[in-house]
Amino acid sequence: GAVVSQHPSWVICKSGTSVKIECRSLDFQATTMFWYRQFPKQSLMLMATSNEGSKATYEQGVEKDKFLINHASLTLSTLTVTSAHPEDSSFYICSTIRSTSVETQYFGPGTRLLVL
Amino acid sequence: LAKTTQPISMDSYEGQEVNITCSHNNIATNDYITWYQQFPSQGPRFIIQGYKTKVTNEVASLFIPADRKSSTLSLPRVSLSDTAVYYCLVGARNNDMRFGAGTRLTVKP
Repeated sequence: GAVVSQHPSWVICKSGTSVKIECRSLDFQATTMFWYRQFPKQSLMLMATSNEGSKATYEQGVEKDKFLINHASLTLSTLTVTSAHPEDSSFYICSTIRSTSVETQYFGPGTRLLVL
Repeated sequence: LAKTTQPISMDSYEGQEVNITCSHNNIATNDYITWYQQFPSQGPRFIIQGYKTKVTNEVASLFIPADRKSSTLSLPRVSLSDTAVYYCLVGARNNDMRFGAGTRLTVKP
């Protein structure tokens, strides 16, 4: 079954508004979560690494004031797209690491954002 | 950080075995190799993971040569529903979670 959930699955908003996307690990604690963005026909691009209780680490070229990440608990990380513009329209995917004998990355179902 | 190289696309027919190879020449000692499948508008789905030699599960096999500089995902008897993009990732302990371009597999009837 699914181990990572995202909410909402899709969202349409007006330009200038902010949108919050939630990522939850369903049956285990996740100290680290990852946020990706994917444009049509392209691969996933890592935006940031979210660590529970500390500041996120952003990839080069990703504006931390634009994409606010909060990882306040061991099962929830949120990505807020602030003052969204049409160019922020994309597919946003979160993932987390589940550690058993080997660390394996599991992905959420993704959130489709459309900014009008 | 280990960079991966895969063919951009592959075509196959239903019932055939498909082998997708990924090159990772600078793989580190602690790195594992993981393959994911992604359908349109969905998050990637874990397929298989390995460190060396051969790993098999209910959906695929993963072959890793002794030098570990490449790996091959083998999908037995593909069906139309296996049409997807396949990614290999190489890394260990939360590092290098960056995706390559992936391989777009198209299975034809």
